Amino acid sequence: EAGVTQSPTHLIKTRGQQATLRCSPISGHTSVYWYQQALGLGLQFLLWYDEGEERNRGNFPPRFSGRQFPNYSSELNVNALELEDSALYLCASSRQGRGTDTQYFGPGTRLTVL
Amino acid sequence: QQQVKQSPQSLIVQKGGIPIINCAYENTAFDYFPWYQQFPGKGPALLIAIRPDVSEKKEGRFTISFNKSAKQFSLHIMDSQPGDSATYFCAATSGTSYGKLTFGQGTILTVHP
Repeated sequence: EAGVTQSPTHLIKTRGQQATLRCSPISGHTSVYWYQQALGLGLQFLLWYDEGEERNRGNFPPRFSGRQFPNYSSELNVNALELEDSALYLCASSRQGRGTDTQYFGPGTRLTVL
Repeated sequence: QQQVKQSPQSLIVQKGGIPIINCAYENTAFDYFPWYQQFPGKGPALLIAIRPDVSEKKEGRFTISFNKSAKQFSLHIMDSQPGDSATYFCAATSGTSYGKLTFGQGTILTVHP
């Protein structure tokens, strides 16, 4: 069974630009989660999508947004990039949208904002 | 109240030692506590998880101890090996967390040969 995949592996942008990150969940999983792992800040919850709908978002500004497609893959968009957005962005998926379902993580996309 | 506090930040042991990583939480609604292991350049991988209706769970060399009254839980790694060198995260969530895992700050474990 293939794991969660993310693309691109690395992304370099400049301040003010937009970044788009992509995630494909494990086959059969309907829920996708996004986390930000910034240096020294641990993993911070960003967004949860289930069955195509945004179900929850963390304490991040509206310029962090995303969507989930009918095939359950997901996209995270970050607009008006700031230097502090530099981080590893991790996507996870779970079989269902229950709060305690095990979340399986992908390898992440390393975003660098110059 | 949503925080999970993890200690120590870093830990160095010799091969065969038993590193212990501790976590504490405030939110009594949390009812699922997973531990994740992360190697450099990889995403976190689920190691072991526990619910508060049990006080201990073992899977191979990894043991979680859970103290519900103290709102604390810990990870013990028996007979540690150099291959266990990684960053370990505790986390907590509940049915009312709406998908959000609340993570501890992580512990960087180094096991010397």
